[in-house]
Amino acid sequence: NAGVTQTPKFRVLKTGQSMTLLCAQDMNHEYMYWYRQDPGMGLRLIHYSVGEGTTAKGEVPDGYNVSRLKKQNFLLGLESAAPSQTSVYFCASSYSTFHRMNTEAFFGQGTRLTVV
Amino acid sequence: QQQVKQSPQSLIVQKGGISIINCAYENTAFDYFPWYQQFPGKGPALLIAIRPDVSEKKEGRFTISFNKSAKQFSLHIMDSQPGDSATYFCAARRNTGFQKLVFGTGTRLLVSP
Repeated sequence: NAGVTQTPKFRVLKTGQSMTLLCAQDMNHEYMYWYRQDPGMGLRLIHYSVGEGTTAKGEVPDGYNVSRLKKQNFLLGLESAAPSQTSVYFCASSYSTFHRMNTEAFFGQGTRLTVV
Repeated sequence: QQQVKQSPQSLIVQKGGISIINCAYENTAFDYFPWYQQFPGKGPALLIAIRPDVSEKKEGRFTISFNKSAKQFSLHIMDSQPGDSATYFCAARRNTGFQKLVFGTGTRLLVSP
């Protein structure tokens, strides 16, 4: 039982390049989330999904796209990377929305992305 | 716009001491207040949470104190241990729409041996 696995763990991109971050969970969770974590900013929700085939925008969705073709995977795409997207990205999953009381969310270990 | 303000940004406490982290919120439409603990290189993990109809919640050495009228809540870590050294995030949940969490900016706690 691996929990939530993020790939890759580190990446350096040049401005304008594209990439996809992969999140995989083996807990059969319905809900999945992508957050970014920046110094002095806490965690901010980028996109989320409440089930296979569905996605929705979070607080800071601009410059990102997501897809949830399979229940266990949630992909985060950067079409044209910008230095402002330098951040640590966390994926999370939960059985139901973990924003409710007593619902645990499980986070991956993060992807540190640097855009130069 | 930061709706949950967290302080201090960093904290050093001696082993056995009490660690106190404070958060204040502005929006009265918050109805659930969790705290997350994050170790270096790891993702955040739920530590303890409270609802606004309760003034205090204790789990082991960790206690949340909640002051609804002042819109403030705090985390107390009693008998702090070096293993408690981590970054702590408070959060508040909006009770409308998707009910998403708004996170504080984090406090880096170092417990010295």
